Amino acid sequence: QVQLQESGPRLAKPSETLSLTCSVSGGSIKSDTFYWAWIRQPPGRGLEWIGSIYYSGSRYYNPSLKSRVTMSVDTSKNQFSLMMRSVTAADTAVYFCAREVGSNSYFDSWGQGTLVTVSS
Amino acid sequence: QSALTQPASVSGSLGQLITISCTGTSSDVGSYNLVSWYQQQPGKAPKLMFYEVNKRPSGVSNRFSASKSGNTASLTISGLQAEDEAEYYCSSYAGSNTFTIFGGGSYLTVL
Repeated sequence: QVQLQESGPRLAKPSETLSLTCSVSGGSIKSDTFYWAWIRQPPGRGLEWIGSIYYSGSRYYNPSLKSRVTMSVDTSKNQFSLMMRSVTAADTAVYFCAREVGSNSYFDSWGQGTLVTVSS
Repeated sequence: QSALTQPASVSGSLGQLITISCTGTSSDVGSYNLVSWYQQQPGKAPKLMFYEVNKRPSGVSNRFSASKSGNTASLTISGLQAEDEAEYYCSSYAGSNTFTIFGGGSYLTVL
């Protein structure tokens, strides 16, 4: 049973960079079947897909966030990461990492989520 | 790309049947059989309920069913139970420029 766990600073300052890492256990990130995704949820609001990455580094992003987002993967640590630049209060959200079955498909396993607050 | 449209809230009594709609366009729901549904309890991560329109992962009760007609997908829950009270989200692939979009969520209240 794969498990995902988000980690990283819970507070980011406006205009700075938000950085999160997702650690995958119970399965290898180097799978032909899965992509690895970030999804966020502002407090009291709905879900927003941020982007997905394959273990080879192939990635695709939400076009509304693409200019500010970079995802990377570290297969030696079985982790993948998110960097979001120039954050504002609107980026305050619970950030989930998730396993995506195939590309542009569905998310079958999720981390518990971590609340990141953007505030000075 | 706009989010998929869901009713903000739905309700039903114990034992009843309810349906939650998810309306998209011919560019997303109408074009691809890549609609999925998620259940989210307060303070928890979403849980996959259906994928590829109507495929139910193991462990999901068969009281839940899902379908699609044209640009609208639907989630139906029969024999409502108190534990079904949660937020439900639909999601769809929306093409190679937009990729994945979610609905705004529907909160189910079990009366």
